[in-house]
Amino acid sequence: QKEVEQNSGPLSVPEGAIASLNCTYSDRGSQSFFWYRQYSGKSPELIMSIYSNGDKEDGRFTAQLNKASQYVSLLIRDSQPSDSATYLCAGGFNTDKLIFGTGTRLQVFP
Amino acid sequence: DAGVIQSPRHEVTEMGQEVTLRCKPISGHNSLFWYRQTMMRGLELLIYFNNNVPIDDSGMPEDRFSAKMPNASFSTLKIQPSEPRDSAVYFCASSLVGGAWNEQFFGPGTRLTVL
Repeated sequence: QKEVEQNSGPLSVPEGAIASLNCTYSDRGSQSFFWYRQYSGKSPELIMSIYSNGDKEDGRFTAQLNKASQYVSLLIRDSQPSDSATYLCAGGFNTDKLIFGTGTRLQVFP
Repeated sequence: DAGVIQSPRHEVTEMGQEVTLRCKPISGHNSLFWYRQTMMRGLELLIYFNNNVPIDDSGMPEDRFSAKMPNASFSTLKIQPSEPRDSAVYFCASSLVGGAWNEQFFGPGTRLTVL
């Protein structure tokens, strides 16, 4: 059973700090990972995708993938209250399907 | 460019009634996915299509659920008869081509309440 696991949180960080969101997965055959942001009452919004080991940066977001450790993370620099949302990690495991984690709720307080 | 379009956005119905949810994927996208999200179970994949063909419906809860994609720009998810435990938010998503490499983009969802 392929699984993607996340700590449900909430993760609380002060405004301006770095928020670190983590995700582990069970299948070494994974090929791709995605981070989605979901505001309350809204749909998931794709914010980052990563396919190879290492770091990928996009603005204030950095995704990190370590396939040997089966670990993927999302760093949000200079966190803002508007970043408060649930962040979903999803993995693609050599199929068309994505397996989603249950999400981590992030709270950024002023 | 328009994103994934879903209708209706909200649906309230009574147990036993038929419910039809509709989705229009992003133009040019060849894969379409139906998800259900609840607090208890999170985001679950129900079924997905590649080039209008159903590929995997293993997530469909039971025979009361059915999905069709008659053409590249339209899909329906039907529940008949509906039950209170079907209450959830149903999302449609599309991606450019099949395969886990490709990013999926979600519609706004349909919030279904079955009384």
